[in-house]
Amino acid sequence: AQSVSQHNHHVILSEAASLELGCNYSYGGTVNLFWYVQYPGQHLQLLLKYFSGDPLVKGIKGFEAEFIKSKFSFNLRKPSVQWSDTAEYFCGGGYNKLIFGAGTRLAVHP
Amino acid sequence: NAGVTQTPKFQVLKTGQSMTLQCAQDMNHEYMSWYRQDPGMGLRLIHYSVGAGITDQGEVPNGYNVSRSTTEDFPLRLLSAAPSQTSVYFCASSIPGVDGYTFGSGTRLTVV
Repeated sequence: AQSVSQHNHHVILSEAASLELGCNYSYGGTVNLFWYVQYPGQHLQLLLKYFSGDPLVKGIKGFEAEFIKSKFSFNLRKPSVQWSDTAEYFCGGGYNKLIFGAGTRLAVHP
Repeated sequence: NAGVTQTPKFQVLKTGQSMTLQCAQDMNHEYMSWYRQDPGMGLRLIHYSVGAGITDQGEVPNGYNVSRSTTEDFPLRLLSAAPSQTSVYFCASSIPGVDGYTFGSGTRLTVV
């Protein structure tokens, strides 16, 4: 069955710290992977996507993710977080249907 | 280009009432989906559609019906609302393999 799992449910960082959020997927067929961000009270916004090609994907706001096929992983990274990155982050995967992980709440302290 | 439009934004229902959450997109996207978001559970897929006239169940379809008579519209029906259906509902659309899903602003539903 198709599934997506996120390892970290809550992450607390100080500004300028590096970020890595884990995501693993489990399904066959065409790999479409996404990271979305949801700021408090808002809807989901696309951070980045992977369909094929270069496994290192760069998105908006300085985020990037690496697709590692052998590990079924698509981890999100940012070298230096800011207070404004405080939000909930969702990893999603699928082609016909998009399934999400449970999300990771990130709090960045000044 | 309005993107994905959801109505209403807020709704309070009594147990047993029925209602339809509306979703419309003006991007000519083939794929549309409905999700519910609950604290600690992320977004769970209720129903999805890969084109007009084609729908399928997602992870949590019970208590919900959908239809897709046009490319633009994908309404979600609650036939007999239950308190367990209190949630925030999001509609999304996409062209697969081309871009990510575009999400609507959500409907906050409370069933009392």
